[in-house]
Amino acid sequence: EAGVAQSPRYKIIEKRQSVAFWCNPISGHATLYWYQQILGQGPKLLIQFQNNGVVDDSQLPKDRFSAERLKGVDSTLKIQPAKLEDSAVYLCASSLTGGYNEQFFGPGTRLTVL
Amino acid sequence: GNSVTQMEGPVTLSEEAFLTINCTYTATGYPSLFWYVQYPGEGLQLLLKATKADDKGSNKGFEATYRKETTSFHLEKGSVQVSDSAVYFCARNTGNQFYFGTGTSLTVIP
Repeated sequence: EAGVAQSPRYKIIEKRQSVAFWCNPISGHATLYWYQQILGQGPKLLIQFQNNGVVDDSQLPKDRFSAERLKGVDSTLKIQPAKLEDSAVYLCASSLTGGYNEQFFGPGTRLTVL
Repeated sequence: GNSVTQMEGPVTLSEEAFLTINCTYTATGYPSLFWYVQYPGEGLQLLLKATKADDKGSNKGFEATYRKETTSFHLEKGSVQVSDSAVYFCARNTGNQFYFGTGTSLTVIP
């Protein structure tokens, strides 16, 4: 079974530029999560989708971050414009139905904002 | 509030030593509790979990018991190996609210 795929693995941009990350969850997983993991900290949930609907985006900085999962499968997370403090690893995870089910994580995208 | 607090690292142990990584949580309701592990260069993987009080999760020689009275889920292993070197994250989930601790880095030396 293929795992959660993310791309790119690494990205370096300058502040005020835009960037987008892509995630392909495990086939059949209805729930998809985006996390931000700043160096030395645990992952922080940014947004959770159930199929193509948003379940929780309370910690997403909506003035600069956006995410979509239009067909209930792949998802993209965008930052526009980026700030220095956005430097982090962005993790995508999926689970079968959400709730108490195990989350499977992708390898992450390491973003460096200069 | 809802949070997870885990022992700060880094932790360095000799091979075959006993490991404890403390984790306590605060939550409304009855959360499920998890330990995730992140090996160097890899993504997070579920190590073990417990879904109700007094449950014991176990995997690869690691154990953790869900203690409701002390709101704890400490991770233990009787004899660590070099291959256990990784970052360990405690996490809790109440419905759709999933929170991670800050992670504890473990290095096991031969």
